[in-house]
Amino acid sequence: QVQLVQSGAEVKKPGASVKVSCKASGYTFTSYDINWVRQATGQGLEWMGWMNPNSGNTGYAQKFQGRVTMTRNTSISTAYMELSSLRSEDTAVYYCANSVPAANHWFDPWGQGTLVTVSS
Amino acid sequence: EIVLTQSPGTLSLSPGERATLSCRASQSVSSSYLAWYQQKPGQAPRLLIYGASSRATGIPDRFSGSGSGTDFTLTISRLEPEDFAVYYCQQYGSSPRTFGPGTKVDIK
Repeated sequence: QVQLVQSGAEVKKPGASVKVSCKASGYTFTSYDINWVRQATGQGLEWMGWMNPNSGNTGYAQKFQGRVTMTRNTSISTAYMELSSLRSEDTAVYYCANSVPAANHWFDPWGQGTLVTVSS
Repeated sequence: EIVLTQSPGTLSLSPGERATLSCRASQSVSSSYLAWYQQKPGQAPRLLIYGASSRATGIPDRFSGSGSGTDFTLTISRLEPEDFAVYYCQQYGSSPRTFGPGTKVDIK
């Protein structure tokens, strides 16, 4: 079955960067976009951007422009989200989720989430 | 950016009761590109409804979605114990994709 498995929890200091991975299985990795969504503790969902694993094309939410980079390694069916210049407000669970490329499409399925804690 | 507002913030009901959740958009959501997700504590969101009214694979028929334009509704006809959770609406018709703040359905 289609599955997205994310890397483990991270603890980072303010100003550092974090790179979260999302490994896809059960489908052709290049057939679906990967979106990244984050959720601060007790808060709602915030879309960060998307990446097309086939072309490498990306689209980022304005809030994260200049701080987020989404990449992929097609040989291991893995997508990455790197967030730099971390601050305490970036403490959240980060999710990856599939959507159909070049289409207005919902997110399904989702990875299990990766907790990133930013603390001095 | 399309802002989504959900009401009520919390809905306290008993098993077997009907739940009606509202999602209102700040501008029209094109072609009913609206989805509903369920999230339980410690879990990732799960897709329930897409296209405003189409149930995702494996979703029980007690879940139904309706609406168009700026007003959308998720209805759970008879609450089961496993339905107590937080529900989010999302629009995916324009960028940035946005989510509502969520409605928590808890046990009365």
